[in-house]
Order: sequence, then C-alpha cells, then structure tokens
Amino acid sequence: GIQVEQSPPDLILQEGANSTLRCNFSDSVNNLQWFHQNPWGQLINLFYIPSGTKQNGRLSATTVATERYSLLYISSSQTTDSGVYFCAVRGNNNDMRFGAGTRLTVKP
Amino acid sequence: EAQVTQNPRYLITVTGKKLTVTCSQNMNHEYMSWYRQDPGLGLRQIYYSMNVEVTDKGDVPEGYKVSRKEKRNFPLILESPSPNQTSLYFCASSLTYAGNTIYFGEGSWLTVV
Repeated sequence: GIQVEQSPPDLILQEGANSTLRCNFSDSVNNLQWFHQNPWGQLINLFYIPSGTKQNGRLSATTVATERYSLLYISSSQTTDSGVYFCAVRGNNNDMRFGAGTRLTVKP
Repeated sequence: EAQVTQNPRYLITVTGKKLTVTCSQNMNHEYMSWYRQDPGLGLRQIYYSMNVEVTDKGDVPEGYKVSRKEKRNFPLILESPSPNQTSLYFCASSLTYAGNTIYFGEGSWLTVV
C-alpha cells in the first residue's frame, strides 16, 4: 500500500515563530488531507488538498502531486497550535493512510 | 450541523464482554470507516464501507466486525474484546470514497481490562 512519511517527528517553537511540516507519499493520490489533533484527541480538518495551494488564516498548505509531497505552513505560531499534525492520503485503492504525525509544541 | 457522532465516548469493559461502538453521520455520505489510534503506530484503518451492505477490511480487522444496514450508521462490534484492543477509536465518513473531505467523529476511548 501507499507509504506516508511526515517530518519532522517533533518540533518545538517559540510563540510567534513560523514552521513548515512536510508529508511525502509513495504513489499518486486522489485525496490528501491535513488534520490537527488537539490535546483532547479530536481530529480537526485543516485542509483537503490533493493538489495546489490553499490558505486559511495563519495556515496554508501546498501539494505538489507530481513530486509526491505536501507542505503545511504555520505562521506566527500560537500556543493553541500545539498538538499533533497528521497528513492522510488515499491512493487508487480505497483506504486512507495516515502518516505518523508531527508533534508540535509552541512555548509562550 | 454536519457531524459524525460516536458512542460511547469513554468505556472501560472486561475481557470477553461483547460491545458495540455506534457511529452515525447526518451528511448522507456513502463512505464510512473505522480507525484505531495507538501510541507510536498512528491511525490504522480497521474496516471501511463504500455504501450500504458493502464493507471491506482495512489494515487491522482482526477481532472486529462491522455492518452497514443503513447509510447513516456504521457500528463497530467487538465480539470478544481483549486488552490489546484498548485504544482510541475514530469513525469517519466522506461523500464518496475518493476526492472528498473526510470528517471524523470525536473519538471513543476504549479500555479492556
């Protein structure tokens, strides 16, 4: 099945800093999403982005499908951005595969 | 409000006592699936359903059953739970299996002692 790798596994930032999270995948995809898992375990949709670029406030994402990677940008980070960020992809079979996640800690 | 609802949210049960985790979505989605999340292993798919009466195994189906008799409901059944099924479970749905945003329920924390 499709392989999904996220980097870095852990990231510690000072409040106000910017960061880039990366997701590499091993095959062509028809679905790619970024999620934020908050400290209570809830998975929050951030972006549905199988290709192209999207922005939502301080967050933006870019997927280059032909090169099989996606990037999530967080600007002016806040403590509430802390948590785990997951990339999930769906290839030509029917299952959605998740990366192992990037654990982000934003310090005040 | 569009949502995926799971119940129970928290459960402690004993080995061998059958339990069902319900999942319901109000978005008329065709595709539904179950995941479990374990430390160090991320989210892994248990079962998925492309539509009513159509279900298939994911990566870790052993010890679980599902059914899809109605479009809105996709219950996860643990016939004889064991401690290795202690996990955080998520139900998810999307309009179809491809090319659509997936929505997750709030998760069900299950402990089997």
